[in-house]
Amino acid sequence: GENVEQHPSTLSVQEGDSAVIKCTYSDSASNYFPWYKQELGKGPQLIIDIRSNVGEKKDQRIAVTLNKTAKHFSLHITETQPEDSAVYFCAASYPGTASKLTFGTGTRLQVTL
Amino acid sequence: ETGVTQTPRHLVMGMTNKKSLKCEQHLGHNAMYWYKQSAKKPLELMFVYNFKEQTENNSVPSRFSPECPNSSHLFLHLHTLQPEDSALYLCASSRNPGLAGVDEQYFGPGTRLTVT
Repeated sequence: GENVEQHPSTLSVQEGDSAVIKCTYSDSASNYFPWYKQELGKGPQLIIDIRSNVGEKKDQRIAVTLNKTAKHFSLHITETQPEDSAVYFCAASYPGTASKLTFGTGTRLQVTL
Repeated sequence: ETGVTQTPRHLVMGMTNKKSLKCEQHLGHNAMYWYKQSAKKPLELMFVYNFKEQTENNSVPSRFSPECPNSSHLFLHLHTLQPEDSALYLCASSRNPGLAGVDEQYFGPGTRLTVT
């Protein structure tokens, strides 16, 4: 089955700096890679996703890159703000009769003033 | 809000109790999911329902019993749980995964379950 590894487990950056979270996956058939943000007391919220036919996707301060050859993908947050503080999860999935996401273990991002 | 609601938000139950978790989605989706989130572990997929039919049971113990009466509602019936079952139980929905690929899953806020 699919295995997703995520690093780092914790990340502290100063407000205004950039943050990068990296994930690797094992199954070359995986073709969908979402990123979720989970704030305290809430469920994960989809913030951006990328499919295997695209190498990069950007949405305002958030971008995701995908390297299919190396089987890794990354989340980039620029100009970080205190409200970016949360736990971020990457996931991977592949087409089939059931939508099965395999999640990484999460990265706790702390944006300090 | 994501359009997926879960009740109750918090639940404390003894090992001999029977309780149920409820999930409702207001997005017109056709697939619904139960996940378990434990501290320092990845989210674990438990069950998948597609058009009310169970399409995935990820080797979940029988003390967890899902029910999906229609595409908008999903239940998780709990009985004779163990303390290690204490976790955040998350419900999610998606439009329709189908054979063409996966699509976005939207999560509810979760039920924080404590088994004493």
